[in-house]
Amino acid sequence: DTAVSQTPKYLVTQMGNDKSIKCEQNLGHDTMYWYKQDSKKFLKIMFSYNNKELIINETVPNRFSPKSPDKAHLNLHINSLELGDSAVYFCASSQDSRRFLKTEAFFGQGTRLTVV
Amino acid sequence: GESVGLHLPTLSVQEGDNSIINCAYSNSASDYFIWYKQESGKGPQFIIDIRSNMDKRQGQRVTVLLNKTVKHLSLQIAATQPGDSAVYFCAEISRDDKIIFGKGTRLHILP
Repeated sequence: DTAVSQTPKYLVTQMGNDKSIKCEQNLGHDTMYWYKQDSKKFLKIMFSYNNKELIINETVPNRFSPKSPDKAHLNLHINSLELGDSAVYFCASSQDSRRFLKTEAFFGQGTRLTVV
Repeated sequence: GESVGLHLPTLSVQEGDNSIINCAYSNSASDYFIWYKQESGKGPQFIIDIRSNMDKRQGQRVTVLLNKTVKHLSLQIAATQPGDSAVYFCAEISRDDKIIFGKGTRLHILP
């Protein structure tokens, strides 16, 4: 019974393509996040949604667009993929929207995106 | 010692010994800190947190120490087990909800 699930787990695509990564959480949490982890294992927050509303949008190219159809889903769409987009992308969720980041977050298994 | 570039700092510890993983944080306005564990091929997993009004917090086999004077955070793991092998990250969160992760330290358990 996976709490935060992402699909696909691996994604290999050519430069210039458009791709999406899906994320679903069955924890009943109000807040969901997307993080990027580069080849040096450095983690950085990209977006956060609380109850389908965008509340964090870090300095991320506008080729990246999150979409939250409902509070259990936060998908990440990437247009015109570039080599530098290659990374592992993690979805996460947390329960307490008042405490926001200052609470336990549950992460998915990650999606390894390779742009060739 | 630590190295930069492609390789994460690695701490090698004998099974059964205690491990101490260190983290220097950057923002004196950070008021909340988290330690995460990331096993190979998995997402980060919350271990323990601490607020800036505390110096120490204990969990099951883990202790986090916070030294605000020198902006230093440490994670102590008692009686290290093979299942503790992972990369450990600290994260600092500021009062205006900015989160910054540390570089990560790989913990390697020697049999």
